[in-house]
Amino acid sequence: DTAVSQTPKYLVTQMGNDKSIKCEQNLGHDTMYWYKQDSKKFLKIMFSYNNKELIINETVPNRFSPKSPDKAHLNLHINSLELGDSAVYFCASSQAGTGEKLFFGSGTQLSVL
Amino acid sequence: LAKTTQPISMDSYEGQEVNITCSHNNIATNDYITWYQQFPSQGPRFIIQGYKTKVTNEVASLFIPADRKSSTLSLPRVSLSDTAVYYCLVAPFNNAGNMLTFGGGTRLMVKP
Repeated sequence: DTAVSQTPKYLVTQMGNDKSIKCEQNLGHDTMYWYKQDSKKFLKIMFSYNNKELIINETVPNRFSPKSPDKAHLNLHINSLELGDSAVYFCASSQAGTGEKLFFGSGTQLSVL
Repeated sequence: LAKTTQPISMDSYEGQEVNITCSHNNIATNDYITWYQQFPSQGPRFIIQGYKTKVTNEVASLFIPADRKSSTLSLPRVSLSDTAVYYCLVAPFNNAGNMLTFGGGTRLMVKP
């Protein structure tokens, strides 16, 4: 079983569209994250969600919104997509008190045309 | 959270030992050091974690000096399949959902 799974793996869309990326973890972890990785391979933290508390990186545009229906899911919604949103988005999870070992999904390659 | 600095890239040859150093001068008392490996088209995966001195597992060793202001990931006898980006991350053992910020990572290229 995949520990952290995200769908879709590839997402190609037009500017101005609204899209969502889903993430699920079956590890029983209490914290989930979204990261954005640009073409230079920098991993930028976007959101951290723990026990219904959302921490937002202040540099993330408010067009991006995470939604967590339950502890095992943290979906990413993006409104009014822009060219600069093209990147690979990774979902991750960790368990408090374990040294915050992160478990990552395989990524979603988003291409905005 | 402690900021980390790593070399941007390193080259090596098959069979050699590779040491990648990460600087984290403002590491806090309750921070742990964790290293991740990322292959193309995959998410980063955990390699090793430590607090002080030396930690060894089946994949790598982690050396941490007494002042803990740096750490060195050691990969013994690398193979072509070790070509990847390696990230070090410094964070509290119980981060309680706070931001976990990665540095730029080190691109390791292993040549035949």
